[in-house]
Amino acid sequence: GQNIDQPTEMTATEGAIVQINCTYQTSGFNGLFWYQQHAGEAPTFLSYNVLDGLEEKGRFSSFLSRSKGYSYLLLKELQMKDSASYLCAVMDSNYQLIWGAGTKLIIKP
Amino acid sequence: GAVVSQHPSRVICKSGTSVKIECRSLDFQATTMFWYRQFPKQSLMLMATSNEGSKATYEQGVEKDKFLINHASLTLSTLTVTSAHPEDSSFYICSAREGGDTEAFFGQGTRLTVV
Repeated sequence: GQNIDQPTEMTATEGAIVQINCTYQTSGFNGLFWYQQHAGEAPTFLSYNVLDGLEEKGRFSSFLSRSKGYSYLLLKELQMKDSASYLCAVMDSNYQLIWGAGTKLIIKP
Repeated sequence: GAVVSQHPSRVICKSGTSVKIECRSLDFQATTMFWYRQFPKQSLMLMATSNEGSKATYEQGVEKDKFLINHASLTLSTLTVTSAHPEDSSFYICSAREGGDTEAFFGQGTRLTVV
């Protein structure tokens, strides 16, 4: 079966760095997405990785290792507004998105 | 990024009535649209995938006669919740994708409350 695993909840301190991991087992691979979702709102796109390596975009970076079925989202200089759920999703061979359950990130002052 | 507009953002309806939710791609042609529902503190659950001009493909366990999906044009898809019951209360979200592009853009979501 297809499976996406990510931690349920993480806590970090304002100004610090946090890494949210995601491992996956899917039928084929056409890229991995990270989305941010604030409570009561729809997800917003953060990053897309299809090749191995690190993609940096401002305070957020995303890493992919296809051989290991592994990705992480790195958030630097954490701000209180970064408190949200972070969803990892993999596009399978049918171009369907397989979603993880999301990681709730709590930022403390 | 591209814009997907979903309407209404919130709706309260009486049990037994039907509710229609619209999803529009404003600046691109959405050949594929996805409908999700999300319960509090849970991940997105794909309900159905619709391609313009053809019948929607429903995920296992989703009643197609209850959740009617129409994707009649390249910019509009609708989800109609028929004979709504309190257990249908949820957050419904659409997303749209253009052609071979892999990124899907999300609408703002609709909070449905059935009383």
